[in-house]
Amino acid sequence: GQQLNQSPQSMFIQEGEDVSMNCTSSSIFNTWLWYKQDPGEGPVLLIALYKAGELTSNGRLTAQFGITRKDSFLNISASIPSDVGIYFCAGLSNTGNQFYFGTGTSLTVIP
Amino acid sequence: EAQVTQNPRYLITVTGKKLTVTCSQNMNHEYMSWYRQDPGLGLRQIYYSMNVEVTDKGDVPEGYKVSRKEKRNFPLILESPSPNQTSLYFCASSDGSPQETQYFGPGTRLLVL
Repeated sequence: GQQLNQSPQSMFIQEGEDVSMNCTSSSIFNTWLWYKQDPGEGPVLLIALYKAGELTSNGRLTAQFGITRKDSFLNISASIPSDVGIYFCAGLSNTGNQFYFGTGTSLTVIP
Repeated sequence: EAQVTQNPRYLITVTGKKLTVTCSQNMNHEYMSWYRQDPGLGLRQIYYSMNVEVTDKGDVPEGYKVSRKEKRNFPLILESPSPNQTSLYFCASSDGSPQETQYFGPGTRLLVL
């Protein structure tokens, strides 16, 4: 299957700091998605990106669809304790039916 | 309340004993999907369904079966579970195209001895 490499694998940051994470693929995707998973729960969609070069914000979160269509980036500004969790990128296949997820970035925010 | 439900939430079984994990959504969604989540591997799609009676293999379908006889239900069947199927399983659904927001269930943690 297609591989999505997400980095960093984990992050420990101070409250108030900005966070950046990225996701790269060996294949082109037409849709990139970013999810957050809290402990003991299923992932929740944060941002969806549908066009190469697109930059989309959701509150303190900003994500970009890479121009090559093989990568995407997520930034969190002014982190707060409730940002703690695992962040996943996901790509939707060119057929539009199958999802591929990244390996996840575990974020810890130190108050 | 709009939701995706899974049962059971936790299951311990033995190798070879057939089991079914149920998934139901009350949002009239057309697209449904099953994932497994393993440490260091993220979520991997097992099977998905675009609509009733339409199912397709995802990335890791071996050892699993699904059926979609009704729009709201999408059970995951393990005919002969093996220890390598020990994992955390999620069901998800979305309206219309899978590009729409996928709503995930709470997860089913399976241990196969």
